[in-house]
Amino acid sequence: QQQVKQSPQSLIVQKGGISIINCAYENTAFDYFPWYQQFPGKGPALLIAIRPDVSEKKEGRFTISFNKSAKQFSLHIMDSQPGDSATYFCAAARSGAGSYQLTFGKGTKLSVIP
Amino acid sequence: EPEVTQTPSHQVTQMGQEVILRCVPISNHLYFYWYRQILGQKVEFLVSFYNNEISEKSEIFDDQFSVERPDGSNFTLKIRSTKLEDSAMYFCASRLQGGQPQHFGDGTRLSIL
Repeated sequence: QQQVKQSPQSLIVQKGGISIINCAYENTAFDYFPWYQQFPGKGPALLIAIRPDVSEKKEGRFTISFNKSAKQFSLHIMDSQPGDSATYFCAAARSGAGSYQLTFGKGTKLSVIP
Repeated sequence: EPEVTQTPSHQVTQMGQEVILRCVPISNHLYFYWYRQILGQKVEFLVSFYNNEISEKSEIFDDQFSVERPDGSNFTLKIRSTKLEDSAMYFCASRLQGGQPQHFGDGTRLSIL
């Protein structure tokens, strides 16, 4: 019940295309859903996050869509660029638990080809 | 921009030896975390630390593990007697308060021989 399932495992997108990564969770107590971007040799860096009181959040080319009834959320990267090539992790946390420990998905390796 | 720093970047240790991984969280942050990532697998929570005590820990964080904030700036993870399966990337993270996000360091790659 603590799992966060992420797909696809890897994704190849043409420059200028839309990258879509999906996540699903089971624990309805989760109420904070961040996405992290990780480049080789670096730690995860927060990209964008959403709470279940909104269905969509957009920051620049990055959009999170959230479907509370389906317990699913997704990351859309518009106009994907080669510099977006990285591993993306979705995560979930319970704010009421105090520590906000993050439960991560397995990650998606995105390659944007010119 | 302030960042979480971790040292060393790579630690090689013989099985059975003790190892200490060091982290300097962002200076005004109040919550501290350790996560690990075994090669090819997902990032897993180990422990959270607040107000000088452990607030939550996972089942991975057994008696071989301990954390300490020895002074106002460092946060350490000690593995008492390392095993081969402890080989992983260990990430430290810190958070200011409330709903603020966690900021991660670049990790320490721990290799157990």
